[in-house]
Amino acid sequence: NAGVTQTPKFRVLKTGQSMTLLCAQDMNHEYMYWYRQDPGMGLRLIHYSVGEGTTAKGEVPDGYNVSRLKKQNFLLGLESAAPSQTSVYFCASSSPSGPTYNEQFFGPGTRLTVL
Amino acid sequence: GQSLEQPSEVTAVEGAIVQINCTYQTSGFYGLSWYQQHDGGAPTFLSYNALDGLEETGRFSSFLSRSDSYGYLLLQELQMKDSASYFCAGRDNYGQNFVFGPGTRLSVLP
Repeated sequence: NAGVTQTPKFRVLKTGQSMTLLCAQDMNHEYMYWYRQDPGMGLRLIHYSVGEGTTAKGEVPDGYNVSRLKKQNFLLGLESAAPSQTSVYFCASSSPSGPTYNEQFFGPGTRLTVL
Repeated sequence: GQSLEQPSEVTAVEGAIVQINCTYQTSGFYGLSWYQQHDGGAPTFLSYNALDGLEETGRFSSFLSRSDSYGYLLLQELQMKDSASYFCAGRDNYGQNFVFGPGTRLSVLP
């Protein structure tokens, strides 16, 4: 099992450009999440999804959009990138039941720089 | 909403015991998790407390007191590889989301 994978691993954008970050999980998890982590800080929830076709806003959703067209994939979009969106983005997944119910599984992260 | 507080840094020597505290203010709460994150890496799950009391997993233990809005992570027999950031995370009452604390950077000295 690959667990949670993220594409790309690194990206540099210019202000105003757009991009999509892809998250994929092979654990058949219902829940998926996008977080951002700024230097020396904790994780802040951007958007999340509790099932295919559903999305909801987290703590810091402005400037981002998401889609969950397939259960295994969760996409994070930046329509017009700003320097304030320079951060490390982590995707995570979890299950609403079973032995790993209380655990979030994280991807390796995407390091995004907006110039 | 939820907000959690942790000390920013803790330093200890190899072989020692260290406790990392987490206090929280929340209007709805379902449990407390702990995650470890090495520099440049992703967070990895350590433990979860749904009920008051102590949960033990090898060298790591986690404690929760819901009446005191307080929990801690206890690391025993510290090793150099334990140098990392440790995050507590509160789970909302719907069981869907976690809110993360700011993290505690643990440095283990030889």
